[in-house]
Amino acid sequence: QKEVEQNSGPLSVPEGAIASLNCTYSDRGSQSFFWYRQYSGKSPELIMSIYSNGDKEDGRFTAQLNKASQYVSLLIRDSQPSDSATYLCAVYLSGGYNKLIFGAGTRLAVHP
Amino acid sequence: GAVVSQHPSWVICKSGTSVKIECRSLDFQATTMFWYRQFPKQSLMLMATSNEGSKATYEQGVEKDKFLINHASLTLSTLTVTSAHPEDSSFYICSARESQGRSEQYFGPGTRLTVT
Repeated sequence: QKEVEQNSGPLSVPEGAIASLNCTYSDRGSQSFFWYRQYSGKSPELIMSIYSNGDKEDGRFTAQLNKASQYVSLLIRDSQPSDSATYLCAVYLSGGYNKLIFGAGTRLAVHP
Repeated sequence: GAVVSQHPSWVICKSGTSVKIECRSLDFQATTMFWYRQFPKQSLMLMATSNEGSKATYEQGVEKDKFLINHASLTLSTLTVTSAHPEDSSFYICSARESQGRSEQYFGPGTRLTVT
């Protein structure tokens, strides 16, 4: 069973703080990892992709990948109330599966 | 780029009728499209994967005769919910992948189905 685990939250952070979202996955062969943001009542939106160990930065978002530990994280700097959403971690399963496996999501609440 | 549309955005139908939902990739060719269902406050559930010109692959527990999927072209996939019942009321979301060599998926805005 290929799994992606996330803490469901809610993760509550004050405006301006750094939000840290974590994800672990079970398939050692996975090579592609994604973070999606989903606002309540809306569909998921791709915000970050990462394929190599280390950090990848895009604006206020930084994705971190550690394949040895099977761990992916997303940091959101200078959090804003508009960042309040559910963040879904997704792992691409190759080897015949050819599909994304999603975690259940972490709900982030940024309070003023 | 990478825009996916869905139509309709919401639909109400009577129990026993069928509903068709369209999913289109607007600015790229989608070799593979995916259909998900999401109940309130629950996670995404993959229903089926469709490749252009071939039969869809359904996830375990999803009735292929009830949820008919057609991926007739590289930009269009349709999901038909046949003989809908109130328990089929849900948020249906499609996503598309550009080519076999890519792994990113882009989601449509979703269709909210209510069966009365």
